Parts: sequence; C-alpha cells; structure tokens
Amino acid sequence: GAVVSQHPSWVICKSGTSVKIECRSLDFQATTMFWYRQFPKQSLMLMATSNEGSKATYEQGVEKDKFLINHASLTLSTLTVTSAHPEDSSFYICSAPERVGEKLFFGSGTQLSVL
Amino acid sequence: RKEVEQDPGPFNVPEGATVAFNCTYSNSASQSFFWYRQDCRKEPKLLMSVYSSGNEDGRFTAQLNRASQYISLLIRDSKLSDSATYLCVVNYGNFNKFYFGSGTKLNVKP
Repeated sequence: GAVVSQHPSWVICKSGTSVKIECRSLDFQATTMFWYRQFPKQSLMLMATSNEGSKATYEQGVEKDKFLINHASLTLSTLTVTSAHPEDSSFYICSAPERVGEKLFFGSGTQLSVL
Repeated sequence: RKEVEQDPGPFNVPEGATVAFNCTYSNSASQSFFWYRQDCRKEPKLLMSVYSSGNEDGRFTAQLNRASQYISLLIRDSKLSDSATYLCVVNYGNFNKFYFGSGTKLNVKP
C-alpha cells in the first residue's frame, strides 16, 4: 500500500526557534496533503490542506504566518512552526490520499516539545 | 454542530465481548466512509472502509445507513489488542475534505 514518510519523529526545541517537519509520499504522487495537530487525549484537528503548486488552505483559527506550509513537489510537503512557544507543543501528523476521495495514508507523526 | 460525532467512551469490555460503536455525520453529500484505529501517540491506521452494502473483515463488521446518516463498527470476540481509539472518518469526495470524529476509546480487559 501507499506509504507516507514523516520526519522527524521527535523534536525538542527552545522557545522562539523554528521547526520544520517534512512529509513525503514515497510511492505515489500527492497533489494534496493534510496537516493535523493532536493534543493529549484529544482528537486530530485539521490545521491546513497543502496543495501542490499553490497556497495552502488553512482552517479557521490557524495562523498561516505561524504555521508555514510549502508543497513544492508532488511528493513533499513541509510544515514549519515559526517562533515556537510551549503552547505549540503537540503531536503533528500529515496525511495524503493516494487518489481524490480515497482513504488517507498517514505519516508516523512528529512529537514537538517546546521548552 | 460537528461534521462527525462519536461517543468518546471509554467502552470498558471483557475479553470475548461484542462491542459496537456508532458515528453520525451531518453532510448528506458525504461520499466515503472509513474506520481508523489509533494507538496512543501513534498515527491512525486504516481499519476498514465502509461500503453501502456493509462489509466484514474477520471479527470486524462495518455498516452504513445513508438515510439516517450514521455508520457503525461492530467488533466481535474482543481481544486485549483491540484496545485503542477508533476514529470515524467521512470524506466529501469532490471537495477532498476528510472529517474526523473525536474517537471512541475502547479498553478490553482480561
């Protein structure tokens, strides 16, 4: 089946620094990728939809200048958390459907801890 | 109103029990339906897609009721390894939007 690779798995950083998370589709082309955030004991919350070759679409309440998304190729989307603060500490996870409307394949997630 | 609603549980059941989860969705234009399983601090993994005619995979049975806009998951003969959070996911097809329920936590006890 399709594979989505996400890295890093774990990041610890100081407050004020920026962190980049990569998400790659390994054996299919993903024109769309989704970025989610999950706080402990809560559900996945969609942050933004990353579209290859165009601007990402952000969900209400998600700051686009803080969470920069780049989808420069059909196999790579990146999420950069800029000027990270402790409240940004969370589990970030990407996903992509192999084809429009079909099931999602998830990356393994990135646990971000901001000190 | 949330796009997808699930009972958060937890459902605490003994090994061997049969347990059922329901999930309701608000948009009648929804086209694809899935159940995912998520273990703590891990990515969700597809358990099964849900088809209009209902489908079964071993101990797991999924059903879709379009008229009432709900999907269900039945787990028979529960195993300890079934303990996880089960996520209901609905896709709006042409809009390529996936909506997740908040998840139902299942604890299977020995």
